[in-house]
Amino acid sequence: QLQLQESGPGLVKPSETLSLTCTVSGGSISSSTYYWGWIRQPPGKGLEWIGIIYYSGSTYYNPSLESRVTISVDTSKNQFSLKLTSVTAADTALYYCARLSSGWPHYFDYWGQGTLVTVSS
Amino acid sequence: QTVVTQEPSFSVSPGGTVTLTCGLSSGSVSINYYPSWYQQTPGQAPRALIYSTNIRSSGVPDRFSGSILGNKAALTITGAQADDESDYYCVLYMGSAIWVFGGGTKLTVL
Repeated sequence: QLQLQESGPGLVKPSETLSLTCTVSGGSISSSTYYWGWIRQPPGKGLEWIGIIYYSGSTYYNPSLESRVTISVDTSKNQFSLKLTSVTAADTALYYCARLSSGWPHYFDYWGQGTLVTVSS
Repeated sequence: QTVVTQEPSFSVSPGGTVTLTCGLSSGSVSINYYPSWYQQTPGQAPRALIYSTNIRSSGVPDRFSGSILGNKAALTITGAQADDESDYYCVLYMGSAIWVFGGGTKLTVL
């Protein structure tokens, strides 16, 4: 059974960089079939798509976040990561990693449980 | 910037039928947006229900169905049950490997 687990600091100071990692177990992140992505949810609010990455390193980002976001992959560790720079309180959210299904059309078929990141001094 | 619209809240009686919709601030939703639907119960990660307008994800009961109604995507729950009380999110594919979530609908079963 595929599992995804987010990890990283739960508290980040304003203007600093948020860094999270998603560890994939029960399947290989190097599979040519899947993309891997990040989605976030501010407390009490809706979901926002952040971006996706292919095992080769190809990335696609939400245009509203693109200038601050970097998603990378480490196939040797079966992990992919999120970096969000210059954070503000508006970046406080539950951050989910997820898998984009194989084939077309894609949808997010497996999700991690999410990790809460608070931006505060 | 295109906004994906959903009803903020909806209620349904146990055993009843409810249709939630997913629209665009400008324009119509068609199958070419490959609408998908997710269910999120409090404290849990979202769960995929429907993708590509009307295909049920693995394990999803057939009382959940998707369609295009007029200029919107729709999620219909037939025979609502107490544990259907959740937040429901639609997602539209905008092209160029970009997805946009709707604001979500809080469904109450009472």
